[in-house]
Amino acid sequence: GQQLNQSPQSMFIQEGEDVSMNCTSSSIFNTWLWYKQDPGEGPVLLIALYKAGELTSNGRLTAQFGITRKDSFLNISASIPSDVGIYFCAGQIGTASKLTFGTGTRLQVTL
Amino acid sequence: NAGVTQTPKFQVLKTGQSMTLQCAQDMNHNSMYWYRQDPGMGLRLIYYSASEGTTDKGEVPNGYNVSRLNKREFSLRLESAAPSQTSVYFCASRLQASGNTIYFGEGSWLTVV
Repeated sequence: GQQLNQSPQSMFIQEGEDVSMNCTSSSIFNTWLWYKQDPGEGPVLLIALYKAGELTSNGRLTAQFGITRKDSFLNISASIPSDVGIYFCAGQIGTASKLTFGTGTRLQVTL
Repeated sequence: NAGVTQTPKFQVLKTGQSMTLQCAQDMNHNSMYWYRQDPGMGLRLIYYSASEGTTDKGEVPNGYNVSRLNKREFSLRLESAAPSQTSVYFCASRLQASGNTIYFGEGSWLTVV
């Protein structure tokens, strides 16, 4: 099935540092979504992107829909301990009913 | 704000036993989904229901059945549980089958021994 490659798989950073992660696909998507999952919880939507080149922010988080429509990027500025969790990208092709999820980036923040 | 509610939260089954995971959403969404999450695999779609009265296979449907009972409820059934079905299961919903964001329940941790 369709696969999204998400990198890095895990990150250990210090509080206050900026974080960058990305997601790439072999297929073109027309929607990119970024989710965060806290331990023991379901994923929660962070940012939704609907147009190639779109740059959208949500507080300290900024995500971009790649121009090629085959990739997306998420940046977190000035990380804090509550940023800890797993971040997932998800993409949708055309008007398909299904979303394809990346394998996740596990973020650990140290004081 | 209940959103997407799924039960049970935790379950241990013996190999061969059957069980049903229940899911309900109170957002009047048309589309509902069941995913499983395994370490290093991300979220994989088991089955989905684009609208009331329809169900379709996802990426990993083998060993599962679903029922879209009404617009609110979408259940996932394991007829004969296998250790390979040990996983965390997430129900999700969204307003339309395309173009809108998807909302997840809190997950059901299933262990098959």
